[in-house]
Amino acid sequence: AQSVAQPEDQVNVAEGNPLTVKCTYSVSGNPYLFWYVQYPNRGLQFLLKYITGDNLVKGSYGFEAEFNKSQTSFHLKKPSALVSDSALYFCAVRDLRSGGGADGLTFGKGTHLIIQP
Amino acid sequence: GAVVSQHPSWVICKSGTSVKIECRSLDFQATTMFWYRQFPKQSLMLMATSNEGSKATYEQGVEKDKFLINHASLTLSTLTVTSAHPEDSSFYICSARLGTSGAYEQYFGPGTRLTVT
Repeated sequence: AQSVAQPEDQVNVAEGNPLTVKCTYSVSGNPYLFWYVQYPNRGLQFLLKYITGDNLVKGSYGFEAEFNKSQTSFHLKKPSALVSDSALYFCAVRDLRSGGGADGLTFGKGTHLIIQP
Repeated sequence: GAVVSQHPSWVICKSGTSVKIECRSLDFQATTMFWYRQFPKQSLMLMATSNEGSKATYEQGVEKDKFLINHASLTLSTLTVTSAHPEDSSFYICSARLGTSGAYEQYFGPGTRLTVT
């Protein structure tokens, strides 16, 4: 069974500093990995994904994430945080081995990112 | 682009009645849609995968007869909570995927808050 762990419930960063939101995963095959962001009273928004190829993927709003197969991690990063980045961030995985009609994502429990002015 | 809507955004119903929630992809056709449930301060849990023109695939533990899913067109999927009980109160979120492969990202609706009294 696939699973995703986000070890931090909350991450606090000062505006202008770099930020990292951690994610580790467990799958039986090769993963498809995603990051989503949820703002209050709004739906989840897609940030970026890793499917194959370059381990460093770039996404929306200046975010990037690095796929590390040996550490089974997919940490989300941004060089310089903005107050507007404050939101709830979810890491998700789709296991290539799963199928048979069931094809959704397994989500981590989410990390609240708080950027302090 | 890639906008997903849900209707209603919130609904209150009495125990024993049924409630229908609609999920629409507004500017793209979605062969596959998904239904998730999100409990307060918890992550999203996949309920079922809905493929246009075929029966939905439910996750283990999700009652098929209670949560009826219909995906009659490429832009519309519905979730009907039958004989609702207070424990069905939750935040229901749908998503739609641009392509058939799991490599495509999912686009999420804003969610529907269901309260059963």
